[in-house]
Amino acid sequence: EAQVTQNPRYLITVTGKKLTVTCSQNMNHEYMSWYRQDPGLGLRQIYYSMNVEVTDKGDVPEGYKVSRKEKRNFPLILESPSPNQTSLYFCASSSQFKVAKNIQYFGAGTRLSVL
Amino acid sequence: GEDVEQSLFLSVREGDSSVINCTYTDSSSTYLYWYKQEPGAGLQLLTYIFSNMDMKQDQRLTVLLNKKDKHLSLRIADTQTGDSAIYFCAEDLNQGGKLIFGQGTELSVKP
Repeated sequence: EAQVTQNPRYLITVTGKKLTVTCSQNMNHEYMSWYRQDPGLGLRQIYYSMNVEVTDKGDVPEGYKVSRKEKRNFPLILESPSPNQTSLYFCASSSQFKVAKNIQYFGAGTRLSVL
Repeated sequence: GEDVEQSLFLSVREGDSSVINCTYTDSSSTYLYWYKQEPGAGLQLLTYIFSNMDMKQDQRLTVLLNKKDKHLSLRIADTQTGDSAIYFCAEDLNQGGKLIFGQGTELSVKP
């Protein structure tokens, strides 16, 4: 089954304690992206990756890091989480080169609370 | 700049039609999408329309695109309680995969 898997689904942590949210896709997609969803603001892109070892900032990258060492994985790293990073996070992937339409497939989300 | 706007809430009765509206600012959009987010889940693609089309129909869903006014709408006929969800419109600027999402419209369907 084609899917994007995020872990964990729920996470409560404290300010300053480094954490990683994993994302894996099994569709051999080139493009992967992280978004955060906040009430009234929709989805805002944090970072994206066009392919292995190619990453770039989205609209709200401050306080986040990513890496793309393998095509299937795109972890999101919070080196020193702060309460303003409390949010619902989504990973997404798409294939840019097989179809003309940029259909993104989303993970189920990670709800993060930073105390 | 890039901006996509939606109203935040819509409430309808079961069996009625729902119309969710979206406005966007960038005229270079290639595709426009509607995604559905059910409670506790990620976003799933509902339908899409290419920017050179005016209308697309897919079973109970009708998408209308007015390029002149940069207005996109999603009509759901015979709305059911299972249609209760948050609906996001998104525009594809053809910039290497980036989508610009609206704030999402929460559709509530009352029996």
